[in-house]
Amino acid sequence: DIQMTQSPSVLSASVGDRVTLNCKASQNINKYLNWYQQKLGEAPKLLIYNTNNLQTGIPSRFSGSGSGTDFTLTISSLQPEDFATYFCFQHNSWPLTFGSGTKLEIK
Amino acid sequence: QVQLKESGPGLVQPSQTLSLTCTVSGFSLTSYHVSWVRQPPGKGLEWMGVIWTGGSTAYNSLLKSRLSISRDISKSQVFLKMNSLQTEDTATYYCARDQPGAHYFDYWGQGVMVTVSS
Repeated sequence: DIQMTQSPSVLSASVGDRVTLNCKASQNINKYLNWYQQKLGEAPKLLIYNTNNLQTGIPSRFSGSGSGTDFTLTISSLQPEDFATYFCFQHNSWPLTFGSGTKLEIK
Repeated sequence: QVQLKESGPGLVQPSQTLSLTCTVSGFSLTSYHVSWVRQPPGKGLEWMGVIWTGGSTAYNSLLKSRLSISRDISKSQVFLKMNSLQTEDTATYYCARDQPGAHYFDYWGQGVMVTVSS
């Protein structure tokens, strides 16, 4: 199975900061990487699919990049509603697997 | 609009079988796949399996021996059955709409919390 490693596990930041979250796959997953945001008590929400495609309705301050094994999610200017946990997800190989998550906290 | 809603028992005894239903609206099960994802309390997400538009299925290898996903197109329902439940199966179970060819989950149900305990 492909292991997805996210770093850092916890990130403290302030409103207005630019932040980068990392996701590393144990094998080449080409471009097949999605990002989800989850707030406490809610279902996950799709932000980005296939590395860099912004889901409809998601603000443009979110962006994704990478290829192969290394991927990033960038939030250009943190807003109060962005403090949540973020999961990456690979759909290149079976079984499909999630990363363990990065919790974005208010500094 | 697109909606998914999970239903099922909140409590299951160890060694018993879990049966969950995902009722969808706003789209057809012959046009979109449906995946099941679960999340133990305070932990990360685990993809469990998918039923494709054509009715075939694929499962997480870790759960394959215990898991079955099926559907009733006429009722717009997808079913999850998992046997031999243990306490580590305690989790919130989600169903999600899965885009054909892209495997991104664009709509999710609210989730149903299942506790495995005697």
